[in-house]
Amino acid sequence: GENVEQHPSTLSVQEGDSAVIKCTYSDSASNYFPWYKQELGKRPQLIIDIRSNVGEKKDQRIAVTLNKTAKHFSLHITETQPEDSAVYFCAASINGGSQGNLIFGKGTKLSVKP
Amino acid sequence: GAGVSQSPSNKVTEKGKDVELRCDPISGHTALYWYRQSLGQGLEFLIYFQGNSAPDKSGLPSDRFSAERTGGSVSTLTIQRTQQEDSAVYLCASSSTRDGYQPQHFGDGTRLSIL
Repeated sequence: GENVEQHPSTLSVQEGDSAVIKCTYSDSASNYFPWYKQELGKRPQLIIDIRSNVGEKKDQRIAVTLNKTAKHFSLHITETQPEDSAVYFCAASINGGSQGNLIFGKGTKLSVKP
Repeated sequence: GAGVSQSPSNKVTEKGKDVELRCDPISGHTALYWYRQSLGQGLEFLIYFQGNSAPDKSGLPSDRFSAERTGGSVSTLTIQRTQQEDSAVYLCASSSTRDGYQPQHFGDGTRLSIL
């Protein structure tokens, strides 16, 4: 079955710097890749997602890139702010995300220091 | 409109007791998912519903775990004869299935503690 690896497990950056989180997946049939942000004690919230027919997607300070050949995708956060501090999870699905389960990475704890 | 609602928010029970966790999805969402998140860990898939049927129960860890969904809406996850290793946050998510690429929206979860 699908396996998703996420790195790094912890990441500390200075406010204003960029942060990059990387994930690899094993099932070449995966076609949907969301990223969730989870603040302490709160629900995971979708911040951006990408379909397999797209190589890159941007939303303000957040971007995701997908390399289907290498089976990896990355989250890029520019101009980081203290409120970006949270745990970020990547996920993959072979069912487009709405007709089957997501397989999650183990998370990256991002700390943005003012 | 309202998001995914889960109850109770916290549940403390003794080992060996049965517990029922409830999920009320976003109105109109036909797909519903249960996940489990242990302390400091990622999310582990448990079961997926499409309407009232469960095409994928592959994540249920043992036969002590069961779930049902009625009326295509509310779902309950039941854990029988609870064990300490069942302690975790149980998260429910729902999604529309309009075109197959709809995001999953999560509830706040039920924090289950087994004494």
